[in-house]
Amino acid sequence: GAGVSQSPRYKVAKRGQDVALRCDPISGHVSLFWYQQALGQGPEFLTYFQNEAQLDKSGLPSDRFFAERPEGSVSTLKIQRTQQEDSAVYLCASSFVVMAGLNTEAFFGQGTRLTVV
Amino acid sequence: AQTVTQSQPEMSVQEAETVTLSCTYDTSESDYYLFWYKQPPSRQMILVIRQEAYKQQNATENRFSVNFQKAAKSFSLKISDSQLGDAAMYFCAYRSAKGNSGNTPLVFGKGTRLSVIA
Repeated sequence: GAGVSQSPRYKVAKRGQDVALRCDPISGHVSLFWYQQALGQGPEFLTYFQNEAQLDKSGLPSDRFFAERPEGSVSTLKIQRTQQEDSAVYLCASSFVVMAGLNTEAFFGQGTRLTVV
Repeated sequence: AQTVTQSQPEMSVQEAETVTLSCTYDTSESDYYLFWYKQPPSRQMILVIRQEAYKQQNATENRFSVNFQKAAKSFSLKISDSQLGDAAMYFCAYRSAKGNSGNTPLVFGKGTRLSVIA
């Protein structure tokens, strides 16, 4: 596709429900990041993939959060037993860059707004 | 850990005028990148301008320019000839140039909401 696509754009979940958020990066992009953006805040890093390998998951707030990218393209962020504090916008970003030393733009999707009620 | 601080939660500017958004950051690294992103109501982050820390010359992109002061760890964004379409949230972000494995994540400030008055 022309850009990073995320679905759904909006998700309302009852507390305790499991949710799955999808990110379809730009074709050929090796790096993929997930960020969590709480209301009125800047995005915060959750996890990073290089192809299918999850190289950094230090930002995941709890073991209820799980991400995968099994074929190195589409990624899914799964949140189990959702809590109200999980309400946020979840942003996905991809880039062709594989090494931190290269300064190349990361392209963001429009995010999924998750509301836990 | 690196931190990014944006001290202006909200700013406003008259159309066609100039506005400066402030950003400071804290890091012990010498090699890094700095960015300004625009986030309209659609939520999609759009890159406005970027600066490599090793470059002394300030980056410029059309009406957007930065004032990068490495010693002071300051990275302000100047928007000239402001347009109605510039109204959005603006985020300052830092990215380390040295990752233990592959790419490194962006560290964002809390953002500044810019309003443009017609």
